[in-house]
Amino acid sequence: GAGVSQSPRYKVAKRGQDVALRCDPISGHVSLFWYQQALGQGPEFLTYFQNEAQLDKSGLPSDRFFAERPEGSVSTLKIQRTQQEDSTVYLCASSFEGSPYNEQFFGPGTRLTVL
Amino acid sequence: AQSVTQLGSHVSVSEGALVLLRCNYSSSVPPYLFWYVQYPNQGLQLLLKYTSAATLVKGINGFEAEFKKSETSFHLTKPSAHMSDAAEYFCAVSDQTGGGNKLTFGTGTQLKVEL
Repeated sequence: GAGVSQSPRYKVAKRGQDVALRCDPISGHVSLFWYQQALGQGPEFLTYFQNEAQLDKSGLPSDRFFAERPEGSVSTLKIQRTQQEDSTVYLCASSFEGSPYNEQFFGPGTRLTVL
Repeated sequence: AQSVTQLGSHVSVSEGALVLLRCNYSSSVPPYLFWYVQYPNQGLQLLLKYTSAATLVKGINGFEAEFKKSETSFHLTKPSAHMSDAAEYFCAVSDQTGGGNKLTFGTGTQLKVEL
């Protein structure tokens, strides 16, 4: 498909485990964003890449959260030593370039449940 | 920093009635504004966006929104609701603080369409 894909769609982890969430953006899209979305809330920004450069990580909630995009395409959001409060939906979005008026295309999200 | 406020977390209309979903923004610079729709278990989909070209913006599925600078508003409307419009709607503003173009979302409005 031509859209943004995320895997896995659902992830259950035991508290303390490390998890890795994958995002495949639309081919050719320069910008990639990670958001988290709590139930009944709007998405909240986590981090932003332009190509392989992570330009903004101000929304990452703690140093247990780490994101990378080493080749400027696929991105991985890693959460170390997961906690119950990490349980939420993680969204990935991509856009053609970094202009503020560009549409961001969203993936379906990964729902993380930490037991 | 830019922000948006959506008044009314739940809106219920009859099929065929006018849909009005409210969004007010706060921005220190000319804003870029977006409306996204989210169906259950699906990613966010862009309905329309304001990029200063025209104050009345037409989007998909018969939706439109009018940018009113004097009222700092960008309300979403549709003349006649359809059952398929039932979803959650998010207003967002492009936030360029921190060097990126992340979206800052409102808390969302759940639209219910009744027969």
